[in-house]
Amino acid sequence: NAGVMQNPRHLVRRRGQEARLRCSPMKGHSHVYWYRQLPEEGLKFMVYLQKENIIDESGMPKERFSAEFPKEGPSILRIQQVVRGDSAAYFCASSPSDRFGSYEQYFGPGTRLTVT
Amino acid sequence: RKEVEQDPGPFNVPEGATVAFNCTYSNSASQSFFWYRQDCRKEPKLLMSVYSSGNEDGRFTAQLNRASQYISLLIRDSKLSDSATYLCVVNSRGSQGNLIFGKGTKLSVKP
Repeated sequence: NAGVMQNPRHLVRRRGQEARLRCSPMKGHSHVYWYRQLPEEGLKFMVYLQKENIIDESGMPKERFSAEFPKEGPSILRIQQVVRGDSAAYFCASSPSDRFGSYEQYFGPGTRLTVT
Repeated sequence: RKEVEQDPGPFNVPEGATVAFNCTYSNSASQSFFWYRQDCRKEPKLLMSVYSSGNEDGRFTAQLNRASQYISLLIRDSKLSDSATYLCVVNSRGSQGNLIFGKGTKLSVKP
């Protein structure tokens, strides 16, 4: 059973360009989450999605960041007009359908974004 | 007060030692609790969920004290491969799916 897949693993962008990060959840998982980890910092929640729905985007910056999880295909985290402060590791996680009291999330290998 | 607080360590222990990590959380309404481990520059890996009754998985034992808002992880008979950063994780006030991660406790097991 393949785990959570993310690509690309490494992404270099110049300031002002767009970054697109992709995430395919584990088979049978319908919930996707995106987290960001800055160097020497803990993981910070960004957004929680189900197919075609954003459930919680309380951790997403108001500008330049967007996320989607279409009916077909991977979830996409999009960062427009990147700045140096966007350099970080972006992790995607997935979990199976609701089980009350437990949201065990399984993480992909991450995308390391470097903005030059 | 931080939402999830952990001692950053490092904890340097010899192989075979027993080591305990503690964590406190601020949101009394939290319902889901986990321990993850993260190796350097890798993704977090789920170690175990933490239940009110406490739970054990091999050499690892997790305890939850809701009254004190305190979570613990005990590792017995430490192995070199246990060297990693251990992350205490709690779901947020607003959403079950929104997990709050502590900054982690670094463990180094020496031969």
